[in-house]
Amino acid sequence: EAGVVQSPRYKIIEKKQPVAFWCNPISGHNTLYWYRQNLGQGPELLIRYENEEAVDDSQLPKDRFSAERLKGVDSTLKIQPAELGDSAVYLCASSLVFAGYNEQFFGPGTRLTVL
Amino acid sequence: RKEVEQDPGPFNVPEGATVAFNCTYSNSASQSFFWYRQDCRKEPKLLMSVYSSGNEDGRFTAQLNRASQYISLLIRDSKLSDSATYLCVVNDPDTGNQFYFGTGTSLTVIP
Repeated sequence: EAGVVQSPRYKIIEKKQPVAFWCNPISGHNTLYWYRQNLGQGPELLIRYENEEAVDDSQLPKDRFSAERLKGVDSTLKIQPAELGDSAVYLCASSLVFAGYNEQFFGPGTRLTVL
Repeated sequence: RKEVEQDPGPFNVPEGATVAFNCTYSNSASQSFFWYRQDCRKEPKLLMSVYSSGNEDGRFTAQLNRASQYISLLIRDSKLSDSATYLCVVNDPDTGNQFYFGTGTSLTVIP
């Protein structure tokens, strides 16, 4: 079974440029998460989708970040314009609640460097 | 107060040693707990899930203490390949589908 797919794996941009990340979750997983992870820290949630609905975006910096999951499957996270402090690894994860169990699985992440 | 707290370490142990990590959580109503392993420059990978009092898988044992609100991970007979960061994750009981992460505990197994 294919895992969570993310692209690109690496991205280097100059500040003030836009950037977009793509994620395709595990087939059948209705919950999708975008996290940001800085060095030496655990992942921090940016946004969580239940199907196509964003149910928790309280930690998403809405002045520059946006996300969409139009058909409840794959998702895109965008930053415009990027700032130096946005350099981090952006992780996508998906999960499926089944019989009371809920485990999330991560994609390989996109490592963003803003110069 | 953070939802999940871990000792960041680093833990440096010799091969064959037994090592234990603790993780405390703040919400007493939490029901699901997880340990993830994260290698350098890789994504977190699920190591163990804990839904009741504990779980065991080979050399790895996770134990849950609800009264004291902590989860532990015990690694016996440490291997060089166990060197990684171990993330403690707790499920938010209110939303069900939100997870809180600790900052991770770094383990290095030394030959």
